[in-house]
Amino acid sequence: EIVLTQSPGTLSLSPGERATLSCRASQSVSSSYIAWYQQKPGQAPRLLIYDASSRATGVPDRFSVSGSGTDFTLTISRLEPEDFAVYYCQQYNYLPPLTFGGGTKVEIK
Amino acid sequence: QVQLQESGPGLVKPSQTLSLTCTVSGGSISTGGYYWSWIRQLPGKGLEWIGYIYYSGSTYYNPSLQSRVTISVDTSNNQFSLKLTSLTAADTAVYYCARAVDYGSGYFDYWGQGTLVTVSS
Repeated sequence: EIVLTQSPGTLSLSPGERATLSCRASQSVSSSYIAWYQQKPGQAPRLLIYDASSRATGVPDRFSVSGSGTDFTLTISRLEPEDFAVYYCQQYNYLPPLTFGGGTKVEIK
Repeated sequence: QVQLQESGPGLVKPSQTLSLTCTVSGGSISTGGYYWSWIRQLPGKGLEWIGYIYYSGSTYYNPSLQSRVTISVDTSNNQFSLKLTSLTAADTAVYYCARAVDYGSGYFDYWGQGTLVTVSS
């Protein structure tokens, strides 16, 4: 099973600041097979990015990803109020099982 | 626009079987290229993939739950279902149905709103 470790657990930032979220895999994952999701309280997760760098419909370009092998990063260039949420990475390179990271909460400082 | 909606009991007793159904609208389950999935989120925790099914009936399950899980599909009603047996309090969670794109092993592009299932006597 591929274990995804996300860090930090919580990121406290102000609107307008840059957010850098890390996702580390227990073994190498093809960069094409990493997805990122955003979840707000009481809502289902929302797909943000798939195939490593493709943004889902309606996702602004302030969201970007980088990385390869075992280390992947989601960057939010300038935080907007609606970006404060929990973010999860997911690998879909290996099955079973599909696995998610434990999440990073981006909160308002 | 594809929409998914979970339905089923919100409260189930320990040792019983949970049955949930996901109704898909805005698209056909029989369209190839997608897996129809169940994912759960324990209270205050992260996401756990339970398993998924292709419209043809092929299934893939999380090994940690495989002995207790069955996912089935009803293409005539555009629905798919989850059965989880031998429930304990540890199965208390929000259960989501979702569509996984058939690329690699799948990422989830559409989700239901989720349904809270509590296991308690």
